[in-house]
Amino acid sequence: QKEVEQDPGPLSVPEGAIVSLNCTYSNSAFQYFMWYRQYSRKGPELLMYTYSSGNKEDGRFTAQVDKSSKYISLFIRDSQPSDSATYLCAMTGSGSSNTGKLIFGQGTTLQVKP
Amino acid sequence: DTAVSQTPKYLVTQMGNDKSIKCEQNLGHDTMYWYKQDSKKFLKIMFSYNNKELIINETVPNRFSPKSPDKAHLNLHINSLELGDSAVYFCASSQDRWGYEQYFGPGTRLTVT
Repeated sequence: QKEVEQDPGPLSVPEGAIVSLNCTYSNSAFQYFMWYRQYSRKGPELLMYTYSSGNKEDGRFTAQVDKSSKYISLFIRDSQPSDSATYLCAMTGSGSSNTGKLIFGQGTTLQVKP
Repeated sequence: DTAVSQTPKYLVTQMGNDKSIKCEQNLGHDTMYWYKQDSKKFLKIMFSYNNKELIINETVPNRFSPKSPDKAHLNLHINSLELGDSAVYFCASSQDRWGYEQYFGPGTRLTVT
């Protein structure tokens, strides 16, 4: 079993829809949770990261962490065709549990249709 | 100004050859990384250097050898290339060794024939 599981999709939604992207993980030592966006043939780009449980909002993007369920989510409101990309979750520990190594999910490919 | 740059962008070569990929960052970061992304988009860390010191060395064949001449540069040399080495290789950097915010380069698409 992989440490981080992410449904690869593809996920296709109409423009303006609310998108929910999710990851589950098995390592309870993970404390920092990141979301990266990767356009086709480009490098991953950090969207946001959160520490421990709770929500974080940045424009149309909201990251949510539920440590009790070992489940993280990224919500995209009012989705646009320019949001079409692969979204990768990543995570790592903190303090003595931080090896400096990010563990990535496989990525979910999102297509937003005009 | 490109923050993290890699050369070359594309690399097509034959089995058994030796090749190098170069990475440079102009962000003033202390830590640099090499990742491999396979055809299923799975991104896996290979190596990490902090101020020229190797701090992460994952289980990769010893045909792969990283070198960091200074903290702004990290190169990856691959000996005796194999078909299974075909992938996209990404360089990344972060301010410190904890790696919470990593900035990725554009990638080098390696095809071994």
